[in-house]
Amino acid sequence: GENVEQHPSTLSVQEGDSAVIKCTYSDSASNYFPWYKQELGKRPQLIIDIRSNVGEKKDQRIAVTLNKTAKHFSLHITETQPEDSAVYFCAAKGAGGGADGLTFGKGTHLIIQP
Amino acid sequence: DSGVTQTPKHLITATGQRVTLRCSPRSGDLSVYWYQQSLDQGLQFLIQYYNGEERAKGNILERFSAQQFPDLHSELNLSSLELGDSALYFCASSAGLVYNEQFFGPGTRLTVL
Repeated sequence: GENVEQHPSTLSVQEGDSAVIKCTYSDSASNYFPWYKQELGKRPQLIIDIRSNVGEKKDQRIAVTLNKTAKHFSLHITETQPEDSAVYFCAAKGAGGGADGLTFGKGTHLIIQP
Repeated sequence: DSGVTQTPKHLITATGQRVTLRCSPRSGDLSVYWYQQSLDQGLQFLIQYYNGEERAKGNILERFSAQQFPDLHSELNLSSLELGDSALYFCASSAGLVYNEQFFGPGTRLTVL
């Protein structure tokens, strides 16, 4: 089955700086890659996603890049703010006939230092 | 608010017992997914239903089962509970099967004593 590795496990950046979280996946058939933000005790919230036919997608301060050849994708957050502090999860969805759950990375605890 | 609802919010029970968790998807969504989140295992996919039918299974134990009803709400049944089943259980829904975004409910925190 699919395996998703996520790095780093903890990332501390100064407010206003950029943060980058990286993920690799194992199944070359995976075709959908969402990113979720989870605050303590709350539900994962979808913040951005990318499909396998696209190399990059941007939404205001958040961007995601995908390299299908290398099987890795990354989340970029620019001009970080205190409210960006949370745990971020990457995920990959296989191509199991359209029916498949998400395989998640272990998460990155992003800390924004004031 | 994602539009996905889950009940109850918290559940405390004893080993060996059986519990049922309930999920109502967003209006119009046909697909429901169940996930388990624990400190040691992270977020794990358990099972998916689409329009009443089981479509995919992940790391779901044989003691666990689920179903999706004609009104599209879903229930996750956990039986012969063990201490290690203590976790947050999330339900997510999406409109269809393929690329559709999955929106998570607030979760049910299960504590097995």
